[in-house]
Amino acid sequence: AQKVTQAQTEISVVEKEDVTLDCVYETRDTTYYLFWYKQPPSGELVFLIRRNSFDEQNEISGRYSWNFQKSTSSFNFTITASQVVDSAVYFCALSEPRDNFNKFYFGSGTKLNVKP
Amino acid sequence: DADVTQTPRNRITKTGKRIMLECSQTKGHDRMYWYRQDPGLGLRLIYYSFDVKDINKGEISDGYSVSRQAQAKFSLSLESAIPNQTALYFCATSDLKAGERRPFFGPGTRLTVL
Repeated sequence: AQKVTQAQTEISVVEKEDVTLDCVYETRDTTYYLFWYKQPPSGELVFLIRRNSFDEQNEISGRYSWNFQKSTSSFNFTITASQVVDSAVYFCALSEPRDNFNKFYFGSGTKLNVKP
Repeated sequence: DADVTQTPRNRITKTGKRIMLECSQTKGHDRMYWYRQDPGLGLRLIYYSFDVKDINKGEISDGYSVSRQAQAKFSLSLESAIPNQTALYFCATSDLKAGERRPFFGPGTRLTVL
């Protein structure tokens, strides 16, 4: 079974629109970590955020914000006022204590296209 | 993460050839990983290692082997490359120290098997 599901394969928006990328995860542990990475067209993987499951406060970093909902096992990522440079594939990931936090389970990614 | 390097960055090879992808890190991390990325499939774990003497298979290890020559080096080999191993390969490191509990990725190796 997929531990991390990113149901949106591809999203297209026009610049300045807000966009939310969904991430749903599955774990039986109460302590875990969640991550988001960005992969621009150049191909490298850029770390965006790590969230501990005990920290339920939402996080904002500039135009980026993350909504962590334990009740629905979701860790969604919103880009406000999107820009062309936000065009990339975005990955959500999970690590669990059952693997001693040694393994990272990635979703299949959401490709975001921001058009001018 | 410039502390994790991969060579080569691009490689084109033919079916049946043996090929090695190399990964080096200067982060001092014990944990190293090889992932494969295919369009629409995300990142899938091939092998991972907790130290020089500890190598573990990931979800898609068939057709691959690895060698952890030192704490800083982790190589991935394709003994006899086949076209469906054409993909983007990433090496990563991590550690249990606070602030390091996430994958630190290398720049990736784009492999094409003809």
